[in-house]
Amino acid sequence: QKEVEQNSGPLSVPEGAIASLNCTYSDRGSQSFFWYRQYSGKSPELIMFIYSNGDKEDGRFTAQLNKASQYVSLLIRDSQPSDSATYLCAVHTNAGKSTFGDGTTLTVKP
Amino acid sequence: KAGVTQTPRYLIKTRGQQVTLSCSPISGHRSVSWYQQTPGQGLQFLFEYFSETQRNKGNFPGRFSGRQFSNSRSEMNVSTLELGDSALYLCASSLAVGGDGTEAFFGQGTRLTVV
Repeated sequence: QKEVEQNSGPLSVPEGAIASLNCTYSDRGSQSFFWYRQYSGKSPELIMFIYSNGDKEDGRFTAQLNKASQYVSLLIRDSQPSDSATYLCAVHTNAGKSTFGDGTTLTVKP
Repeated sequence: KAGVTQTPRYLIKTRGQQVTLSCSPISGHRSVSWYQQTPGQGLQFLFEYFSETQRNKGNFPGRFSGRQFSNSRSEMNVSTLELGDSALYLCASSLAVGGDGTEAFFGQGTRLTVV
């Protein structure tokens, strides 16, 4: 079992819809959770981070964390074609190690 | 504020050679992590340095090594290059290694091609 698992996709949604990206992790000692967006040929860029159970909203993005279920998700509202990218989930333990999922490729169709 | 700077951006090396990659973190960031990214393997953690000490290491052979200097700049070295080492090598800096401030900011990467 991988330490961080994401649906590889591709996930395709129409413009204006909500895109839902999911991530599960195995290490219960994980404390910090991150979502990165990576456009083809570019390096990952941080979208959001979340430390506490519940929801965290930033503009069109909402991160949701459920530590009991070892689950973190990213919702993108009003999806735009410019949101088309690979989304990477990263989990950081207090031991200082970050583990990335393999990413979910999102395509937003106009 | 300047971002994470990696040099060189592109590199072509021959099998058996060695290579050194450099990473300058965001000013004030003391943690530097290195990752290898390939199409088949995704983003793989190499190692992390904080205050000149290696704190974590991924599952890579001893040919991969690194160090961090007192100004937080870091270098990664790969010796006896193999074709399979061809990848995008990414450096990320963060303020801390635990708790708040662990969000990482990536450099543009060094694209290494081994021929």
